[in-house]
Amino acid sequence: QVQLVESGGGVVQPGRSLRLSCAASGFTFSSYGMHWVRQAPGKGLEWVAVIWYDGSNKYYADSVKGRFTISRDNSKNTLYLQMNSLRAEDTAVYYCARVASIAAPLDAFDIWGQGTMVTVSS
Amino acid sequence: EIVLTQSPGTLSLSPGERATLSCRASQSVSSSYLAWYQQKPGQAPRLLIYGASSRATGIPDRFSGSGSGTDFTLTISRLEPEDFAVYYCQQYGSSPPVFTFGPGTKVDIK
Repeated sequence: QVQLVESGGGVVQPGRSLRLSCAASGFTFSSYGMHWVRQAPGKGLEWVAVIWYDGSNKYYADSVKGRFTISRDNSKNTLYLQMNSLRAEDTAVYYCARVASIAAPLDAFDIWGQGTMVTVSS
Repeated sequence: EIVLTQSPGTLSLSPGERATLSCRASQSVSSSYLAWYQQKPGQAPRLLIYGASSRATGIPDRFSGSGSGTDFTLTISRLEPEDFAVYYCQQYGSSPPVFTFGPGTKVDIK
């Protein structure tokens, strides 16, 4: 079945780095744009970053621009989020999500992973 | 930057009642680019409505979306026990691409 599985979360000190992964299965990963969305404990959803289906374009929320990098390896059906210079306010559950339409950058998010928790604390 | 406001913050209703959730945008949003999601505790969000009024795959017809411009509505015609959750609206626009979520409306049991 169509599935996204995140991994790589954990506890990290402020200023350090962490890389999240999102393994896709059950669909043609290389045909879909992908997003990262985060949710701080008890808070709402915050969009983090998007990457086009072919990796040709990437966009970021202002809150993470210059610190986070989204990438993908279509040969491995995997999405990544490299998070550098982490701050306490980056503490959240991080979800990967699929764009609903093939090769369409602007659409709703139809498939979500279960999320991975990132805690930034000394 | 478009800001989404959702009201009410919390909606207390009984099963079988009708729920009307509002999402207001600070600027006009293309109806093609407005979505609604449901999130239950400990779970990932689930897409309910896209393009302001189209139901996603597998979504019951008691869920409906409407609206245009700056005012959008999610209606649940008759609340089922499994519908008590938090609902988020989202707009996705271009130039540059942004994907803004509203703060959410919690629908809880009265």
